[in-house]
Amino acid sequence: SQKIEQNSEALNIQEGKTATLTCNYTNYSPAYLQWYRQDPGRGPVFLLLIRENEKEKRKERLKVTFDTTLKQSLFHITASQPADSATYLCALDMGYQKVTFGTGTKLQVIP
Amino acid sequence: EAGVAQSPRYKIIEKRQSVAFWCNPISGHATLYWYQQILGQGPKLLIQFQNNGVVDDSQLPKDRFSAERLKGVDSTLKIQPAKLEDSAVYLCASAPSGGRVDTQYFGPGTRLTVL
Repeated sequence: SQKIEQNSEALNIQEGKTATLTCNYTNYSPAYLQWYRQDPGRGPVFLLLIRENEKEKRKERLKVTFDTTLKQSLFHITASQPADSATYLCALDMGYQKVTFGTGTKLQVIP
Repeated sequence: EAGVAQSPRYKIIEKRQSVAFWCNPISGHATLYWYQQILGQGPKLLIQFQNNGVVDDSQLPKDRFSAERLKGVDSTLKIQPAKLEDSAVYLCASAPSGGRVDTQYFGPGTRLTVL
């Protein structure tokens, strides 16, 4: 079955720097991959979707890359702010509107 | 647009008791999901409905968990009897089902503690 790996340890970065989070998967490449943000006590919120034929997707300060050869997606937040502190989840397409979520990486942006 | 509503927000029960959670999806969304999220882990799909039919319940522990979505709108998830390992946040999500690729909209979740 598909295995998804995200950095289990928290990522601490200084305000203004670029945060880079990693999502690796082990088996077949999904047709698309999503990134969600989750704040404590809340449900995940959709951020970006990237398809298998897209190398890169941008939205404001966010950038996602998708490398099907490496079986990896990178999620970047440029000019990070303390308000970006949250857990970020990647989710892989499993067919017919079903996704499998990774364990998430907790990001802490230090002022 | 109103979001996904869930209730209760918190529930504490003793093991072997029963509990039920309620979810009201975004109006017009055909697909509804129930997830279990254990602390420190990502959401794990329990059951997926398309309108009032079940699409996937392969990870639902059917000996104790049940879910229904009558009339293709709101849904209830029940645990009977609860075990200690059921302590988790139960998330409901809905999606428009406009095509293969769908963004899921999550509710705030119900935090269940089983003592």
